[in-house]
Amino acid sequence: NAGVMQNPRHLVRRRGQEARLRCSPMKGHSHVYWYRQLPEEGLKFMVYLQKENIIDESGMPKERFSAEFPKEGPSILRIQQVVRGDSAAYFCASSPQGEWGQPQHFGDGTRLSIL
Amino acid sequence: EDKVVQSPLSLVVHEGDTVTLNCSYEVTNFRSLLWYKQEKKAPTFLFMLTSSGIEKKSGRLSSILDKKELSSILNITATQTGDSAIYLCAVGQGAQKLVFGQGTRLTINP
Repeated sequence: NAGVMQNPRHLVRRRGQEARLRCSPMKGHSHVYWYRQLPEEGLKFMVYLQKENIIDESGMPKERFSAEFPKEGPSILRIQQVVRGDSAAYFCASSPQGEWGQPQHFGDGTRLSIL
Repeated sequence: EDKVVQSPLSLVVHEGDTVTLNCSYEVTNFRSLLWYKQEKKAPTFLFMLTSSGIEKKSGRLSSILDKKELSSILNITATQTGDSAIYLCAVGQGAQKLVFGQGTRLTINP
């Protein structure tokens, strides 16, 4: 399967712990996007990254959230000191280029539950 | 504030019916409009529309964009139970950011 791969599929954390969500883009894609879907709401943009660069992080909360896409390995969305309100589905998408010629393709998401 | 509004929010029809889903938008720096189908997992890509008035078709699904009215419709003819899903409309804005609507939950009854 050459699709966008996210892991873990489900992640349970206690309040105050750290959550790390991983995303491997489709083969040949160098652009990664993270979206958050709260219960009964639409997907909300969080951050857009290329290899080793954050292009647009206008949707990221100012504190506790960070993202990276290193030269080697998957993109990581990191949430420190999680709170109950962080419970959501986090989707990663990828595209082959930065212009609008190609659509974004999504992974299956990571469902984060905070106890 | 940028927004994408879909209607109806929920729709229940019988197998074989034709449905029309609506999407309207108020988004700065519009680049494209996309439709996705979301079942239990990943939103799967259906259409990407950039030009007004040009219909895109894929089997029983079709979609068209009206830039003058800032809207798009997604049509599904001869619906099947497998069409049951949440249909998401998203507008591409600026440098690759997607602004999503809240989705239309479509249920096809046999």
